[in-house]
Amino acid sequence: ETGVTQSPTHLIKTRGQQVTLRCSSQSGHNTVSWYQQALGQGPQFIFQYYREEENGRGNFPPRFSGLQFPNYSSELNVNALELDDSALYLCASSSDRDLPYEQYFGPGTRLTVT
Amino acid sequence: LAKTTQPISMDSYEGQEVNITCSHNNIATNDYITWYQQFPSQGPRFIIQGYKTKVTNEVASLFIPADRKSSTLSLPRVSLSDTAVYYCLGRGTDKLIFGTGTRLQVFP
Repeated sequence: ETGVTQSPTHLIKTRGQQVTLRCSSQSGHNTVSWYQQALGQGPQFIFQYYREEENGRGNFPPRFSGLQFPNYSSELNVNALELDDSALYLCASSSDRDLPYEQYFGPGTRLTVT
Repeated sequence: LAKTTQPISMDSYEGQEVNITCSHNNIATNDYITWYQQFPSQGPRFIIQGYKTKVTNEVASLFIPADRKSSTLSLPRVSLSDTAVYYCLGRGTDKLIFGTGTRLQVFP
């Protein structure tokens, strides 16, 4: 069974640029959630996709957007990058057949905005 | 929103039992209490979840009193590899709400 994978591992961008982060779900999982984790803080919920539809959103501006594909992989897009967007971005997959709070996290993408 | 409160950090030695207590005074009737573990440079990992009384798995035990206003994660005989941040979550949905967690440092 393949776990959750994310790419790239690290990324450096300049303020104002756009970035796309990718996530492959664990096999059999139909739900993907994205989280932002600033240094020294717990992960903060960005949004969730279930069967290709957005299924809940945290307190993040519209320049954070996402997609989920038919194979349940997902993308997180961030436009007009700001310095405060520097963080570890985590994706987590889950299945509606499992416990609702049991999510499987990937290793994350470390984004640095300069 | 079920806000959780837990100690910022704890120290222990190898072989000891560690108990991390979490306060969740406003937990809703249908909320479960869930604990995650996070190692440096990794995503969080689900440890255990419970609703009331005691739950045990191969990693930890979770004790929840009758009033459910707190819970205690118990790690038996910790090792150096248990050094991590432990998060208590008390939200009743699958949109996980993490606090700042408890940073556990295990010394030899």
